[in-house]
Amino acid sequence: QITLKESGPTLVKPTQTLTLTCTFSGFSLSSGGGGVGWIRQPPGKALEWLTLIYWNDDKRYSPSLKSRLTITKDTSKNQVVLTMTNMDPVDTATYYCAHQRYNNAWYPFGYWGQGTLVTVSS
Amino acid sequence: DIVMTQSPDSLAVSLGERATINCKSSQSVLYSSNNKNYLAWYQHKPGQPPKLLIYWASTRESGVPDRFSGSGSGTEFTLTISSPQAEDVAVYYCQQYYTTPYTFGQGTKLEIK
Repeated sequence: QITLKESGPTLVKPTQTLTLTCTFSGFSLSSGGGGVGWIRQPPGKALEWLTLIYWNDDKRYSPSLKSRLTITKDTSKNQVVLTMTNMDPVDTATYYCAHQRYNNAWYPFGYWGQGTLVTVSS
Repeated sequence: DIVMTQSPDSLAVSLGERATINCKSSQSVLYSSNNKNYLAWYQHKPGQPPKLLIYWASTRESGVPDRFSGSGSGTEFTLTISSPQAEDVAVYYCQQYYTTPYTFGQGTKLEIK
């Protein structure tokens, strides 16, 4: 059974750096393990894809946020870490991590964490 | 970036009345090497993570009721709920996973009259 869980601060101040951790089980991000992505949803708005890391350490970023985002993985801990610099109140959102499976072809995000609400406020 | 546009933004149907949600992509999401459309549909309820309903435009995820179906190819897609139930009240999103940056539609809110 695949599970994912996000953890990190619920409140950050403007200009600070946000670090969120996605701890997962039921799959491995070593060889052939697919990928883990981050998606966010500001209150009352649509889902927005942020970034993705593949089993082979290939990383992809949203062009509009690329300069502020870093994604890394620790396969020994089954964790993926998202770092977002220079936080602003508009970054207030629920942040989700999700698993993307690969089996001869890429699938969409079939498993999601419950999400964590991050508020940016002084 | 591939822009995903859904219509309508909201939809109110009576119990049992067919619901249809449309999604258009700004470029084709059909991968020619395997003839698959990299288009997914999600259901999102408040306080819950999005739930994958349909992938490759028309393949129902395991456990999803068969009243949910997807169709379309290339740039135009449709999610149909044949006989909506009260528990189907949610926001529905299409998403292309053909290429990064992955992109979502703006969402369609389904209500039951």
